Amino acid sequence: KNEVEQSPQNLTAQEGEFITINCSYSVGISALHWLQQHPGGGIVSLFMLSSGKKKHGRLIATINIQEKHSSLHITASHPRDSAVYICAGTLRWTSGSRLTFGEGTQLTVNP
Amino acid sequence: GAGVSQSPRYKVAKRGQDVALRCDPISGHVSLFWYQQALGQGPEFLTYFQNEAQLDKSGLPSDRFFAERPEGSVSTLKIQRTQQEDSAVYLCASSFGQPQSTEAFFGQGTRLTVV
Repeated sequence: KNEVEQSPQNLTAQEGEFITINCSYSVGISALHWLQQHPGGGIVSLFMLSSGKKKHGRLIATINIQEKHSSLHITASHPRDSAVYICAGTLRWTSGSRLTFGEGTQLTVNP
Repeated sequence: GAGVSQSPRYKVAKRGQDVALRCDPISGHVSLFWYQQALGQGPEFLTYFQNEAQLDKSGLPSDRFFAERPEGSVSTLKIQRTQQEDSAVYLCASSFGQPQSTEAFFGQGTRLTVV
């Protein structure tokens, strides 16, 4: 069992739809990250949160510490949102607070 | 530049060849990480530096992998006698580190293909 698990693995949506990607983790973390990766490899940090909820534009991230679960929501999805979304946790008790990653969710938004 | 810079962006190596991948972190970032991402997978930890000290190399898959950061800034990941299973995207990330911030900033990655 991976330390961080995401669902779904692949997601196809129509433009304008509300999208949810889920993440659960089984290890001690000090923060939860949502990352976006476009073809070509580069990773952009969307959110880093340790409790509650954060919002940036059409993106919302929530975390439930007790249930060890986080969700990323995209409202009014657009084709430019198509990318891989990766959930990652900052591991406690590790040198440097390194990240452990989920396998990613490939999101495709069709016009 | 303002971000993390990696070079080359793409590298094709013949099996058995040695390669060197470079990471130029954000100025002032103490922590530097290398991750390996196989196709269709999430990144996996390779090694971690705090300034010039390599504090964790537990993720390096074999002794063919070597990383250094001699002056606490630029880092190089070297892979000797490359094999096909080394084909992956190699990501570098840097952060200020605790207690300031553990938010990581990633480079564009180097895509290594071993043929």
